[in-house]
Amino acid sequence: EPEVTQTPSHQVTQMGQEVILRCVPISNHLYFYWYRQILGQKVEFLVSFYNNEISEKSEIFDDQFSVERPDGSNFTLKIRSTKLEDSAMYFCASRREAEAFFGQGTRLTVV
Amino acid sequence: QKEVEQNSGPLSVPEGAIASLNCTYSDRGSQSFFWYRQYSGKSPELIMFIYSNGDKEDGRFTAQLNKASQYVSLLIRDSQPSDSATYLCAVNKGRGFQKLVFGTGTRLLVSP
Repeated sequence: EPEVTQTPSHQVTQMGQEVILRCVPISNHLYFYWYRQILGQKVEFLVSFYNNEISEKSEIFDDQFSVERPDGSNFTLKIRSTKLEDSAMYFCASRREAEAFFGQGTRLTVV
Repeated sequence: QKEVEQNSGPLSVPEGAIASLNCTYSDRGSQSFFWYRQYSGKSPELIMFIYSNGDKEDGRFTAQLNKASQYVSLLIRDSQPSDSATYLCAVNKGRGFQKLVFGTGTRLLVSP
């Protein structure tokens, strides 16, 4: 069964460093998302991407964040200068119709 | 008022019982409602979605929607210990109703 895949599964980075989280959405899906979940908290929307551009972003998604779909398969989230509070699970999701399917997540730890 | 509200639980039920999980939402314009299951440390896994008033059944799961009361629920019949997880209610919102807004989830414990 097709699935959303994310790499790496765990990333440890120093505060102020740049990180890139990678995702391969399901191949025939059209909408792509990043969500995050801080430990013990709810899943929060970051950004949606459709037709090669951002369609919506949350207040969390400030200038330190960017997304790209560099080719026909990958979808990346870049955090330019990480802060301690960026430590969270980051989930990529994709959908074609109503249902959104989530990847297994990248646990980002900023030290 | 939170956009999507759930009782955090835990909801404890014995094996074989029916588990009833509830969710309320604030935006009357919301159109689609989703239930996800999340095991500890794992990603949300879609169980089912509903957009019409009434019941929708899929195996042991039944989603119920009442738009007038802004209420959506999930029933799990014949609960199994493997159903022990956090159940997330999510509502489709935003431009084109693209993004999901999640509740905090209800933790379900099914005891053998």
